[in-house]
Amino acid sequence: QQQVKQSPQSLIVQKGGISIINCAYENTAFDYFPWYQQFPGKGPALLIAIRPDVSEKKEGRFTISFNKSAKQFSLHIMDSQPGDSATYFCAASLNSGYSTLTFGKGTMLLVSP
Amino acid sequence: DVKVTQSSRYLVKRTGEKVFLECVQDMDHENMFWYRQDPGLGLRLIYFSYDVKMKEKGDIPEGYSVSREKKERFSLILESASTNQTSMYLCASEGGWNNSPLHFGNGTRLTVT
Repeated sequence: QQQVKQSPQSLIVQKGGISIINCAYENTAFDYFPWYQQFPGKGPALLIAIRPDVSEKKEGRFTISFNKSAKQFSLHIMDSQPGDSATYFCAASLNSGYSTLTFGKGTMLLVSP
Repeated sequence: DVKVTQSSRYLVKRTGEKVFLECVQDMDHENMFWYRQDPGLGLRLIYFSYDVKMKEKGDIPEGYSVSREKKERFSLILESASTNQTSMYLCASEGGWNNSPLHFGNGTRLTVT
């Protein structure tokens, strides 16, 4: 079964620190890697996504780093803020046809004031 | 802005009852999905639909069925609810083009007693 393994399961970071969440995948055919952010009581929402033709994508304080040879990608949150406290899911899919997302199990991030 | 509306925020049902979870999207999206979210297990795909009256099994379809009679509406049916179906259920839709983002509803917390 296709899998995306996500770590850590939970993370506590001080305000202003860097939050790092890692994911690893098995299927080398995956070519689309989004991250979703979920606040309590809400559904997940797309945060940022990357294709494997680039090694890094940055949007504001959020950066995806991608290592194709290692089949790993990670989310970095710079200058973490209490408002970033949420559950983060990495995911992967094929960039063609009727491909559904395979999600990691999620990381609960708490940014302490 | 895309809106995915799930009819109930909380639902309590008895074992053996037939349960209907309703989801409506307002963006004329082609594709709709039902996920369940459990702590430590992440988001698991139950069923999805690429068109009216079409349905495809996801990763955990056992004990569930779906109905899509109209493009905007996707229903999840628990034929005979069991306690192990106590969970958060999330509906999502997406536009159908490559890498279009999933738009989630805010979920239905179902408790089966």
